[in-house]
Amino acid sequence: GESVGLHLPTLSVQEGDNSIINCAYSNSASDYFIWYKQESGKGPQFIIDIRSNMDKRQGQRVTVLLNKTVKHLSLQIAATQPGDSAVYFCAENSGGGGSQGNLIFGKGTKLSVKP
Amino acid sequence: GAVVSQHPSRVICKSGTSVKIECRSLDFQATTMFWYRQFPKQSLMLMATSNEGSKATYEQGVEKDKFLINHASLTLSTLTVTSAHPEDSSFYICSASYGAGITDTQYFGPGTRLTVL
Repeated sequence: GESVGLHLPTLSVQEGDNSIINCAYSNSASDYFIWYKQESGKGPQFIIDIRSNMDKRQGQRVTVLLNKTVKHLSLQIAATQPGDSAVYFCAENSGGGGSQGNLIFGKGTKLSVKP
Repeated sequence: GAVVSQHPSRVICKSGTSVKIECRSLDFQATTMFWYRQFPKQSLMLMATSNEGSKATYEQGVEKDKFLINHASLTLSTLTVTSAHPEDSSFYICSASYGAGITDTQYFGPGTRLTVL
């Protein structure tokens, strides 16, 4: 079936460096994508989202890039801080039929920030 | 705003018993609530979607008679794991959204850790 996956299961960066977390999606009909941050033992926290009619969106210290040609999504975190250490999930929503509003989560990337 | 709570945060029960988990939207009315399950070091898997006042829609492979979902009001949904077994041990997370549209943000609860002995 359709799935959302990640290239890198773990990522270790030095504090202050930029982080890039990648995600590949397989459903070409997906038109809404979200990045979530999940700290240990907690629920996912919304970071940023992007619609398929855009290829870039910026937030505070975060940027999401969408490449529909190769079905690739990335999350860039500028000046990574120890508090950014968590597991990051991408999620897609195709909005089709009875699954309108349903999210399909990728496998997750664990980001570790070294002080 | 948009805070979602879950209760309990952690529960341990004996095999064969039933466990109820509550999900509440504290400061908004949630038209739609979602229930997810997450095994250790794995991603979230959607179990079911519920709309207030109607029957939940279960994902393929999720037993509706085992995982009973009730969405009695716009601020409360409950998940009851009936006759729990050790393989049901997992992290159960709910989310709530204002609407059912694809861009309606889902706000997640803190999760409930279920351990079945």
